[in-house]
Amino acid sequence: AQTVTQSQPEMSVQEAETVTLSCTYDTSESDYYLFWYKQPPSRQMILVIRQEAYKQQNATENRFSVNFQKAAKSFSLKISDSQLGDAAMYFCAYRRGGSQGNLIFGKGTKLSVKP
Amino acid sequence: EAGVVQSPRYKIIEKKQPVAFWCNPISGHNTLYWYRQNLGQGPELLIRYENEEAVDDSQLPKDRFSAERLKGVDSTLKIQPAELGDSAVYLCASSPSKAGPNTGELFFGEGSRLTVL
Repeated sequence: AQTVTQSQPEMSVQEAETVTLSCTYDTSESDYYLFWYKQPPSRQMILVIRQEAYKQQNATENRFSVNFQKAAKSFSLKISDSQLGDAAMYFCAYRRGGSQGNLIFGKGTKLSVKP
Repeated sequence: EAGVVQSPRYKIIEKKQPVAFWCNPISGHNTLYWYRQNLGQGPELLIRYENEEAVDDSQLPKDRFSAERLKGVDSTLKIQPAELGDSAVYLCASSPSKAGPNTGELFFGEGSRLTVL
C-alpha cells in the first residue's frame, strides 16, 4: 500500500525568508502524481503545486517549488519569500496515475510565519 | 465557476443521534470523495464515487455510516447512530474524469465540522 510521511509536525519561518517542508512516500507504481495542499484555518484545502512522476523537471508555481527525487521517493516543498498568508497546515499527498485513484495524505506540517 | 459546496458547516449533536452531511460537487466532475479529517491529522478517505457508483468504500464503517449519490451529482453522507469518536471534519471533494490541465487534482469543499457530545 502507498504511504506518505511528513516528519515535521511543525515548522516556523521568518517573514521574507525561505523554508523547506519535507515529504517522503512509498509506492511500487511508476505512474503517479504528487501534490502539496494548503489548509488555512478556514479549512478549505487548496492545491499549492503538483508534480507528475514522469516529469523530471521540478514543478514551480511563483514562490513555491518542489525538489522531486524519484529514486529516493522524496518530494519537498520550498517556499521562498515567505508571507504571513502562508501560515497554514501543509499536506503532502500521493495519487496513483491512470484510473481515478484516491488521494493519500500525510499527517501534515503546521507552518507558522513570524513577522 | 462554483466550487464544491457542503452543508452544514457545523453540527453539534449528542451521541446516538443521527446526522447527515450534503455535498454538491463542481459541475461536470464525475468523481466524488468523502474524507474524514480528525484533529491535527491528514484527511482519510471514506468513500469514492464514479458517477452514482461507489467504487471504493473499503474504509467506510458500514455499521453506522452510509452514503448515496443519486443521479450521480450531489451526495449525502449519514451517520446513525453517532459516537463520540465520530467528532471530526467531513470533507467532500470532486475531480474531473477526463484528462486535462487539472488532471489528478481534487477540489475540496470547506468541510462539515461534527461535534458529538
